[in-house]
Amino acid sequence: GAVVSQHPSWVICKSGTSVKIECRSLDFQATTMFWYRQFPKQSLMLMATSNEGSKATYEQGVEKDKFLINHASLTLSTLTVTSAHPEDSSFYICSAVTGTSRNEQFFGPGTRLTVL
Amino acid sequence: RKEVEQDPGPFNVPEGATVAFNCTYSNSASQSFFWYRQDCRKEPKLLMSVYSSGNEDGRFTAQLNRASQYISLLIRDSKLSDSATYLCVVNTNNDMRFGAGTRLTVKP
Repeated sequence: GAVVSQHPSWVICKSGTSVKIECRSLDFQATTMFWYRQFPKQSLMLMATSNEGSKATYEQGVEKDKFLINHASLTLSTLTVTSAHPEDSSFYICSAVTGTSRNEQFFGPGTRLTVL
Repeated sequence: RKEVEQDPGPFNVPEGATVAFNCTYSNSASQSFFWYRQDCRKEPKLLMSVYSSGNEDGRFTAQLNRASQYISLLIRDSKLSDSATYLCVVNTNNDMRFGAGTRLTVKP
């Protein structure tokens, strides 16, 4: 199956700093990528939908100025958590699809962010 | 009411047991349904799609009841390696929504 990578796999940072997470589709071109956040014992919550070359679409309640998404190519999307705070500590997962249907999403391994 | 609801468990079962999970969804217009498996601190992985006629993959059987708006997953002859969180996923007009997951622990 298709492979999606994320980097870094985990990161610990101080409050107030910015953290960039990369999501790459390794062997296919991803028309659309999704960013999710998962808190312990909770479901995946969609944060935003990212299409190559256009602005991301954010879900209600997600601050676009805090969670900056850049989808510069068909194989790379980045999520930057700006001015991170302890409440941003979470598991961030990206996924990618190859066509218009979201039925088959290929997930990255996730990035665990801890903000001290 | 949540869009996708699951019993969080945990379900603790012995090896070889049969265990069933249910999931209910709120939108009657939902079109596609899936079960994903998520291991601790890992990404979700597709276990199986759920079809109206029901479908089976080895020890796993998935069922869909559109009238009652629920889907189910049955695991027969549980293995230790089945221990994980099982996520119910519902697609409504290309909008995928995840349940919070049901945690299963299979014990020797």
